[in-house]
Amino acid sequence: DSGVTQTPKHLITATGQRVTLRCSPRSGDLSVYWYQQSLDQGLQFLIQYYNGEERAKGNILERFSAQQFPDLHSELNLSSLELGDSALYFCASSVLAGGNNSPLHFGNGTRLTVT
Amino acid sequence: AQKITQTQPGMFVQEKEAVTLDCTYDTSDPSYGLFWYKQPSSGEMIFLIYQGSYDQQNATEGRYSLNFQKARKSANLVISASQLGDSAMYFCAMSLFTSGTYKYIFGTGTRLKVLA
Repeated sequence: DSGVTQTPKHLITATGQRVTLRCSPRSGDLSVYWYQQSLDQGLQFLIQYYNGEERAKGNILERFSAQQFPDLHSELNLSSLELGDSALYFCASSVLAGGNNSPLHFGNGTRLTVT
Repeated sequence: AQKITQTQPGMFVQEKEAVTLDCTYDTSDPSYGLFWYKQPSSGEMIFLIYQGSYDQQNATEGRYSLNFQKARKSANLVISASQLGDSAMYFCAMSLFTSGTYKYIFGTGTRLKVLA
C-alpha cells in the first residue's frame, strides 16, 4: 500500500459530462502529481501541485483543471468529456517538490470510461 | 532532449531465470534520478528501485537490481529468479530538476511475461 488514496476507483460517464477525481497524498507528502495513462500507453504528465500551489503543467487540456486544498488533498476536474478522455488517471505524491532520490508514490488510479 | 527509451515492448522469461529490461535515458544535466515501476494487470503503479546519478554502486532491492552504466546512459532493471507474479508492465522513469521543481519522465514500458 503506497499510502496514496484515489477515489473513485471506476467512473463511467457520458460524453459532454463533467467529473471530479480525488486524491489524498501520503501523510507528510506536500506534492501531488497527476498523470494520464491511455490504453497500453505510457504515463503523460498533466499537472503538479506543491503545498497548495501549482508548480508545473504538462499536457493538460483546457477542459481539465485541478487544485490542491489546504489539507493537501487534490482534485482533478474533467469537463466536456470526450471518448478520447477514457483512460486511467493516476495521482502520485512525493516529499517536498520531488527529488532525484525521491520516488513518486502512486495511488491505484481512477479508471474513467466515457461512453 | 530529456527522454527515456525502453526499446523492448515485450519480453518472455522462464520461471526462476533472470531477465534484464533495458532502459536508456537522455539528459545533459549531471544530476538526476532513475526509477523503475511495476504495473500489474490490476493497474496500480508500484515503485521498485531507484538510482541517483551520483551513486557509485548499483542499487539493489531484493530480487531487483539496477545495472547503472552512466557513460552509456543506461539503467537496466535486472530481475533475478523470476516468479509468475513478476508478469507485468515495467516502466523506467527519470527525475530532473527544472523550472523550480522536479519533473518525472516515463518511458513507454516493457511488458514482461513469466512462463511456467
